[in-house]
Amino acid sequence: DIVLTQSPALAVSLGQRATISCRASQSVSTSSYNLMHWYQQKPGEQPKLLIYDASNLASGIPVRFSGSGSGTDFTLTINPVQADDIATYYCQQSRELPLTFGSGTKLEIK
Amino acid sequence: EVQLVESGGGLVQPGRSLKLSCLASGFTFSNYGMNWIRQAPGKGLEWVASISSSSSYIYYADTVKGRFTISRDNAKNTLYLQMTSLRSEDTALYYCARRDNNWFAYWGQGTLVTVSS
Repeated sequence: DIVLTQSPALAVSLGQRATISCRASQSVSTSSYNLMHWYQQKPGEQPKLLIYDASNLASGIPVRFSGSGSGTDFTLTINPVQADDIATYYCQQSRELPLTFGSGTKLEIK
Repeated sequence: EVQLVESGGGLVQPGRSLKLSCLASGFTFSNYGMNWIRQAPGKGLEWVASISSSSSYIYYADTVKGRFTISRDNAKNTLYLQMTSLRSEDTALYYCARRDNNWFAYWGQGTLVTVSS
C-alpha cells in the first residue's frame, strides 16, 4: 500500500502563508498525471475537494488555495490564511489500489 | 445541484449485518463510479470500496473484503453497501462519494454505524 505521511498540525497567523506537506512512500505520478488530491474537512462536515491532480483547483475553491508537487512530495498552500480555513486537510492518492489518504493536518491559528 | 444522501446506519451488535444506501440526485448517476469511504470517530479517512458506473469493476479494501458488498441500482439512482460480520472496528461515519476521473468530487453527509453489544 502507498503510505501518505502528513504532519499532524500546523499553526499559522491570519493573513500569513500555510504550507501543508504530504509525502508518499512511492511515486504517485505517471508520465501524464500527478495522482495526488487534497480535501478540506471542517468539524462536523464532510470532506470537500480542494485540489485534484496535484495542482488543479476544484470548482468554486478560492484562488488562495494552490497545490504543487510530483513523484513523492506534494504541497498544499493557503495564502493568505483566513479564519474560515480552520480545518483538517487530507491528501489522497489514486495511483494504485488501495486508494489511501494521509492522516490529516489540522490547521490552527497562532 | 449534486446531492448524495446516505441512510441505513445505526447501532448493531458484533457479528450482525447492516445495509447502507446512498441516494444520488442532480447528476446522471449511471455515468459515474461511486465509492464508500469511512471515518472512525476522531480519526482519518479510509477508503472502503469502489464500483464502476456499470458495476463491471468492483474493488475493496483488505479490511472489508469478504464481509462487505458494494452494489448499485442505476434505475433507482442508489448506491448500496451490504455489511456482514460487523466488528467493533467497523464503527465509523460512512460517506458515499462520487468519483470524477481520479478524485472524489462530491461527498454525502455520512451515516453513522456503531458496532457494539
